[in-house]
Amino acid sequence: EDQVTQSPEALRLQEGESSSLNCSYTVSGLRGLFWYRQDPGKGPEFLFTLYSAGEEKEKERLKATLTKKESFLHITAPKPEDSATYLCAVFYGGSQGNLIFGKGTKLSVKP
Amino acid sequence: NAGVTQTPKFQVLKTGQSMTLQCAQDMNHNSMYWYRQDPGMGLRLIYYSASEGTTDKGEVPNGYNVSRLNKREFSLRLESAAPSQTSVYFCASSVSGRETQYFGPGTRLLVL
Repeated sequence: EDQVTQSPEALRLQEGESSSLNCSYTVSGLRGLFWYRQDPGKGPEFLFTLYSAGEEKEKERLKATLTKKESFLHITAPKPEDSATYLCAVFYGGSQGNLIFGKGTKLSVKP
Repeated sequence: NAGVTQTPKFQVLKTGQSMTLQCAQDMNHNSMYWYRQDPGMGLRLIYYSASEGTTDKGEVPNGYNVSRLNKREFSLRLESAAPSQTSVYFCASSVSGRETQYFGPGTRLLVL
């Protein structure tokens, strides 16, 4: 069964304490992996798209990496404003309907 | 650019009532999508439209219908609302299927 699993479900960090979020997937024919940030009561906000193993992308304190089985979202020296739920989504196969979202990791950064 | 807009923002329905959720995008995107988001379930695809004039079922299409009115607009209709359809509904659009999807602010629907 095609699946996308995010871990941990929730993560509490102190300001400045770096960490990583994981997104593992079991799909055939990966065509793209997306990371989104979602704040309470709002729609997901796009962060990164990764297309092939070995690819990395960075934006401010965030860095996304991709292997053949998983992706990591590394957060360096987080600030309270980085608190949000981070969603991973995998696009695979030949149909445009083949997009699976993980359940997300809720990140809290305390000052 | 407004991006993806959705109306209404919040709606309360009684069981059996019908309603249409509206979505519009001003990014000249070809593909549009409707998702629902429930606690503990993540985002699930209801219907999508790969291009103007086409629509296809996603993971959870039962109880819903869609219309791709033109390239900009994609509506979702609940013909006879049920409490199980209480959820937050998101519309999204992308240049094409493989490209990044951009989401609207959501519609919060409560069915009593």
